[in-house]
Amino acid sequence: KNEVEQSPQNLTAQEGEFITINCSYSVGISALHWLQQHPGGGIVSLFMLSSGKKKHGRLIATINIQEKHSSLHITASHPRDSAVYICAVVSGGGADGLTFGKGTHLIIQP
Amino acid sequence: EPEVTQTPSHQVTQMGQEVILRCVPISNHLYFYWYRQILGQKVEFLVSFYNNEISEKSEIFDDQFSVERPDGSNFTLKIRSTKLEDSAMYFCASSRTGQETQYFGPGTRLLVL
Repeated sequence: KNEVEQSPQNLTAQEGEFITINCSYSVGISALHWLQQHPGGGIVSLFMLSSGKKKHGRLIATINIQEKHSSLHITASHPRDSAVYICAVVSGGGADGLTFGKGTHLIIQP
Repeated sequence: EPEVTQTPSHQVTQMGQEVILRCVPISNHLYFYWYRQILGQKVEFLVSFYNNEISEKSEIFDDQFSVERPDGSNFTLKIRSTKLEDSAMYFCASSRTGQETQYFGPGTRLLVL
């Protein structure tokens, strides 16, 4: 069973700061997802990656398969980035469900 | 942009009652999932569904739970006899293939009294 750990659990930063959220997992995976959950509860997929690096706007996600580690970076953070960021992994292929981390609660202050 | 929809958004039920949570996945998606999130806890996988049958299920998905795709568009989760500990947010998700991004619905908040 894969154990997914995220750090930090909570992060408060000032607008404009560079943000890094880390995720590590215990067992080899086929893909890793970064998700965003807003206070209302809805979950939005940000990235799915199995190697290397992906970028979308101010968000960058990287993964190191050998070290079983991924990072999510936010550049030029903004109060609207305030949300819970969740790392989730899938170990097999096909219809395997995601195994989730507990999430990182990010608050960006103006 | 296509999206996953879920109904109802909220449901309150008495312990022991049956509930059916409904989801309409994105139309060309073939893989469907149910997850739950107990308040203050992490999201947990319940079950995945492909080609009209369950592909994988977690330890949580016991005999009280069942899933169905009754009409080619809806995907339902039934809880036969609800318990207090079933109170949670239930998310449906769908994926075009099992190797691509999963798109989540807005969730159904279930409260069992």
